[in-house]
Amino acid sequence: EPEVTQTPSHQVTQMGQEVILRCVPISNHLYFYWYRQILGQKVEFLVSFYNNEISEKSEIFDDQFSVERPDGSNFTLKIRSTKLEDSAMYFCASSDRGATGNTIYFGEGSWLTVV
Amino acid sequence: GDSVTQMEGPVTLSEEAFLTINCTYTATGYPSLFWYVQYPGEGLQLLLKATKADDKGSNKGFEATYRKETTSFHLEKGSVQVSDSAVYFCALSDNTGGFKTIFGAGTRLFVKA
Repeated sequence: EPEVTQTPSHQVTQMGQEVILRCVPISNHLYFYWYRQILGQKVEFLVSFYNNEISEKSEIFDDQFSVERPDGSNFTLKIRSTKLEDSAMYFCASSDRGATGNTIYFGEGSWLTVV
Repeated sequence: GDSVTQMEGPVTLSEEAFLTINCTYTATGYPSLFWYVQYPGEGLQLLLKATKADDKGSNKGFEATYRKETTSFHLEKGSVQVSDSAVYFCALSDNTGGFKTIFGAGTRLFVKA
């Protein structure tokens, strides 16, 4: 079964450093997303991406965040200057927006620890 | 804006007990509704979904019915197992803009042998 894959599974970084989280969405999907989950808390929407541009973003997704689809398969989330409060699990997701009822499929997540 | 409210946990049950996790939503349009499950140390997995009113989603013995009149999507299982211990998230997907999915706070379920 096709799946969304994410790398790295876990990254530890120093405060102020740049981090890039990578995702390979399901190949025929058109919509891509990033979510985050701070430990023990709810899953929060960050951004959605369609047709090579951001279609929606949350208040969390400030100027420190950016997304990119550098080629036909990867979808990346960059945090320019990490803060302690960026420590969270980051989930990439994709959907085909077809007859699936807008089901989005999540990757296993990337744990980011900012120290 | 759209939102999802689900019952607070943790919920602790004995094996073979009946499970209900309540979920209600607020949405301006006609969302699709989902239950996702997160097992310890893992990512989010789609458990079941319903895309229109009165639809029933079911999977692995879990069921939920899309009730438009009560804006609810309660999760039920007739007989839980220890392996069902996880966090369950109710969610909706709006049909506008970026089709993002909005999650409830999650309900942790512990099932004792």
